[in-house]
Amino acid sequence: DAGVIQSPRHEVTEMGQEVTLRCKPISGHNSLFWYRQTMMRGLELLIYFNNNVPIDDSGMPEDRFSAKMPNASFSTLKIQPSEPRDSAVYFCASSPQGGEKLFFGSGTQLSVL
Amino acid sequence: GESVGLHLPTLSVQEGDNSIINCAYSNSASDYFIWYKQESGKGPQFIIDIRSNMDKRQGQRVTVLLNKTVKHLSLQIAATQPGDSAVYFCAENIDNAGNMLTFGGGTRLMVKP
Repeated sequence: DAGVIQSPRHEVTEMGQEVTLRCKPISGHNSLFWYRQTMMRGLELLIYFNNNVPIDDSGMPEDRFSAKMPNASFSTLKIQPSEPRDSAVYFCASSPQGGEKLFFGSGTQLSVL
Repeated sequence: GESVGLHLPTLSVQEGDNSIINCAYSNSASDYFIWYKQESGKGPQFIIDIRSNMDKRQGQRVTVLLNKTVKHLSLQIAATQPGDSAVYFCAENIDNAGNMLTFGGGTRLMVKP
């Protein structure tokens, strides 16, 4: 298995633009997580899905952030409009069993100018 | 060591020595703990996990110790190698359903050759 696959690896955009981050979890994993990592705040859980259903999105910072999981093999995290303070590394992770032994992707480095 | 914002605690060890990385967790009800290693430019990588009904678990060159009385977790790395240089995170399940893995701030391990 190729592991969790995220795209793009790097994204540079201008303030106000829409940004879409993509994730393909490991096949057979039923839980998917989106995390954001910054120097100031470390790794923060944004949202997680169980069996494609969003369970807890209390970590999503604002209405500008939205996440979807239309099927078991794909999820997106969208930011619209983007702001400079959204600049961070965004990680997607999946697990076979809830919040245990998460497998992380390589992340998307987002820079909003 | 827990991070308190911008500054990651740093542990510097000589190659071949043993390393001990410490972590204080927050929730006395947490029943699952996990250690991750993150190298520069990569996503966190699973090292070892432990449940609250255990106080010690060993892997290959790594040992995790759990002290529930003082809510303390440690990761011991035997015969530290240059490839062990990374940031190490502890994480705990904080919700009753065991779905939310919350990460500590991380400790940077530097191995001197």
